Amino acid sequence: EVQLVESGGGLVQPGRSLRLSCAASGFTFDDYAMHWVRQAPGKGLEWVSGISWNSGSIGYADSVKGRFTISRDNAKNSLYLQMNSLRAEDTALYYCAKGYYDILTGYYDYWGQGTLVTVSS
Amino acid sequence: DIVMTQSPDSLAVSLGERATINCKSSQSVLYSSNNKNYLAWYQQKPGQPPKLLIYWASTRESGVPDRFSGSGSGTDFTLTISSLQAEDVAVYYCQQYYSTLLTFGPGTKVDIK
Repeated sequence: EVQLVESGGGLVQPGRSLRLSCAASGFTFDDYAMHWVRQAPGKGLEWVSGISWNSGSIGYADSVKGRFTISRDNAKNSLYLQMNSLRAEDTALYYCAKGYYDILTGYYDYWGQGTLVTVSS
Repeated sequence: DIVMTQSPDSLAVSLGERATINCKSSQSVLYSSNNKNYLAWYQQKPGQPPKLLIYWASTRESGVPDRFSGSGSGTDFTLTISSLQAEDVAVYYCQQYYSTLLTFGPGTKVDIK
């Protein structure tokens, strides 16, 4: 059974940093691209960042480019999102999502339950 | 970026009746080399993560009831629920994966009339 478990969310002040993690199990992690998708309270879905199977291809939404860094550790079956210079508008539930294939683009066939990030003073 | 729009914003349908949701992309998501539309549909129920329903615009994900169907090509797509059930109350999102800047539609909320 595929499982994606996010962690690392919490309350953080504007301008500070936070690192999210996603622990994956139930599939061959290094065969697939992985993504972060967020959802602000009461709002729709926004793709944040994605990374191909071997980290050779990485993409970011314009809204986070230069502030967020995605990475993965295939030996640990883990995905990460380093979030710096956080803003109030980054407040959201952050989902880890598995890509359908190894390349960066694609749809998501499995999602975690999400970890909540709240940016507030 | 490819901008996705959906209509209507919300709709209420009687149990057993048909629900139709439209999705439009600002540019074609049909890849000519393989004739595939890079378009997916998701269902999100309250308090839950999204669930994949349809990919390649019309391929139903394993385990998804056959009352859900996807159609369309190029820039215009439709998700149809042929006979609405109570458990289908949710927000539905389309998503394009033609571009590496992946984008979602704003969502359509489906309720029971």
